[in-house]
Amino acid sequence: SYVLTQPPSVSVAPGKTARITCGGNNIGSKSVHWYQQKPGQAPVLVIYYDSDRPSGIPERFSGSNSGNTATLTISRVEAGDEADYYCQVWDSSSDPVVFGGGTKLTVL
Amino acid sequence: EVQLVESGGGLVQPGRSLRLSCAASGFTFDDYAMHWVRQAPGKGLEWVSGISWNSGSIGYADSVKGRFTISRDNAKNSLYLQMNSLRAEDTALYYCAKDMRPGTTGIFDYWGQGTLVTVSS
Repeated sequence: SYVLTQPPSVSVAPGKTARITCGGNNIGSKSVHWYQQKPGQAPVLVIYYDSDRPSGIPERFSGSNSGNTATLTISRVEAGDEADYYCQVWDSSSDPVVFGGGTKLTVL
Repeated sequence: EVQLVESGGGLVQPGRSLRLSCAASGFTFDDYAMHWVRQAPGKGLEWVSGISWNSGSIGYADSVKGRFTISRDNAKNSLYLQMNSLRAEDTALYYCAKDMRPGTTGIFDYWGQGTLVTVSS
């Protein structure tokens, strides 16, 4: 089945830019979605179809996808952005919905 | 306001069964596909199963295929997951999630708070 690889952790200072990557074989040919999960809470969709933002998600959140890597970019990082972030795709294999292992974003 | 409220979780012995329910409100339930996604304690997200708006398309993760059955009752705005032959590795928080589309696109725009299933003797 398709595999998505994320770094376990990313650290960033407040006000700086965080980039969380999601690697997969030719992931650029798929649509990538991103979820934010804060401790004790359900996940929240922050980016869908590579770069679209649901209503209510700040413009500071953006996404891109090309080649073998998709990237979630969070600009002007705030303490409230500290969370686990998961990438996800729909694949034509036997397990159609695939999540990455998650990346813990720490705001220093 | 979209609300998804799961219920039915609990402690169950290996090999036994459990039925989860998800009550939906705040949107036209039969316009959207629905899913179950689980999260083992301290672990990542794992998709379990999805069902299209009219139950015409259903899918399962390999890990639960043949043991779990997803269904929905559009008249009751409810989603279900029948879990049979439960194993220790099925222990997780089970989330009900709404799809963005009528078909199963796998884009989850709303999630419930989850119901905890613990499989242990």
